[in-house]
Amino acid sequence: GAVVSQHPSRVICKSGTSVKIECRSLDFQATTMFWYRQFPKQSLMLMATSNEGSKATYEQGVEKDKFLINHASLTLSTLTVTSAHPEDSSFYICSARVRGDRAGANVLTFGAGSRLTVL
Amino acid sequence: GEDVEQSLFLSVREGDSSVINCTYTDSSSTYLYWYKQEPGAGLQLLTYIFSNMDMKQDQRLTVLLNKKDKHLSLRIADTQTGDSAIYFCAERTGGYQKVTFGTGTKLQVIP
Repeated sequence: GAVVSQHPSRVICKSGTSVKIECRSLDFQATTMFWYRQFPKQSLMLMATSNEGSKATYEQGVEKDKFLINHASLTLSTLTVTSAHPEDSSFYICSARVRGDRAGANVLTFGAGSRLTVL
Repeated sequence: GEDVEQSLFLSVREGDSSVINCTYTDSSSTYLYWYKQEPGAGLQLLTYIFSNMDMKQDQRLTVLLNKKDKHLSLRIADTQTGDSAIYFCAERTGGYQKVTFGTGTKLQVIP
């Protein structure tokens, strides 16, 4: 089946530095990828929709200058957390849309997630 | 707007059936999904159901949809310790971007 690979799985950085998280579709092309953030004991919050070859679409309240998204190819999207601060510490998960077994039943396939800890 | 609610915690004994419930508010949902998240991992799609269906069965999993009451449930038969995880229901309204997740139900399976 479709696999989304996310790297790194864990990253610890100092406050003020930038961190890049990669999301790859391994055996399919993903023109659209999604970036979510998950807080402890909470659901997933959609941060932005990443479109190959164009600018990402950010959800309301998400700082586009802080969370830079690049989708330069059909198999790779990156999320860069710039000038990270402790409040950015979270679990970030990417996903890509794949076809379901019924027309229109597109489902999201998720990466394993990246645990960011900002000291 | 969309709102998807789940109970936070469920504990069952190994071998029993588990029923995880979910309620949603948007009547225009087209597809409803169940995802499983193991500790420190991403989400794994378990199953999904189209909104014009009442039931879908897939091996040990049975999904029931009551569209009138906007209620979705996931039944896991013969629950195993490996089923311990957080289960998220999600609804899709309109385009695929609009997928709203519930708060997740943590399933604990007692040996």
